[in-house]
Amino acid sequence: QVTLKESGPVLVKPTETLTLTCTLSGFSFSSPRVGASWIRQPPGKALEWLAHIFLNDEKSYSTSLKSRLTISRDTSKSQVVLTMTNMDPVDTGTYYCARYNLRVGHFDYWVQETLVTVSS
Amino acid sequence: EIVLTQSPGTLSLSPGERATLSCRASQKISGGYLAWYQHKPGQAPRPLIYGTSTRATGIPDRFSGSGSGTDFTLTVSRLKPEDSAVYYCQQYGGSPRGGFTFGPGTKVDIK
Repeated sequence: QVTLKESGPVLVKPTETLTLTCTLSGFSFSSPRVGASWIRQPPGKALEWLAHIFLNDEKSYSTSLKSRLTISRDTSKSQVVLTMTNMDPVDTGTYYCARYNLRVGHFDYWVQETLVTVSS
Repeated sequence: EIVLTQSPGTLSLSPGERATLSCRASQKISGGYLAWYQHKPGQAPRPLIYGTSTRATGIPDRFSGSGSGTDFTLTVSRLKPEDSAVYYCQQYGGSPRGGFTFGPGTKVDIK
């Protein structure tokens, strides 16, 4: 059974760096056909894709946020980590980790939401 | 970067009616990488359709997808009150450089 678990702070201060960790289990973390993305949703707004890592370690970033984002993986722990620097109150929102399955071409598993608030 | 546009922004319908949601891409995309999700407050998005027209696991046949090139459609037939949600289309550019994008969503309200 595929499961995703997310961990990270629920409150960060402006200018701080956010670090979110997604632990994936129930499938081979070395499969070339799957990867993981971070997606967020500010309150009252649409879903916004942030970053993706393929399990061959290729990475892809949102053009508008690329300078602030780093995505990485720890294969030994089956984890994908997102860091976002210089956090601002506009970054407040729900952050999701989701598995993308190239075989079926969609985000097939999502983690339960984590609300991150940026406030001093 | 491919931009997805969805219309209408909001749809208000009655139970039993049909909803037709549109998703338009700024450039041609591979239909194999066009998906639709249903998103309700307090929940993670739920996959509905992938590969333009294939229903995800457990999705009833009231949900159907179609389209190609730059124009894609999600149709929800025989609407039920529990279909009230925001619906997003999403594409993958086929390579790391292509990235991923979501449309702005269509809010469907069933009363």
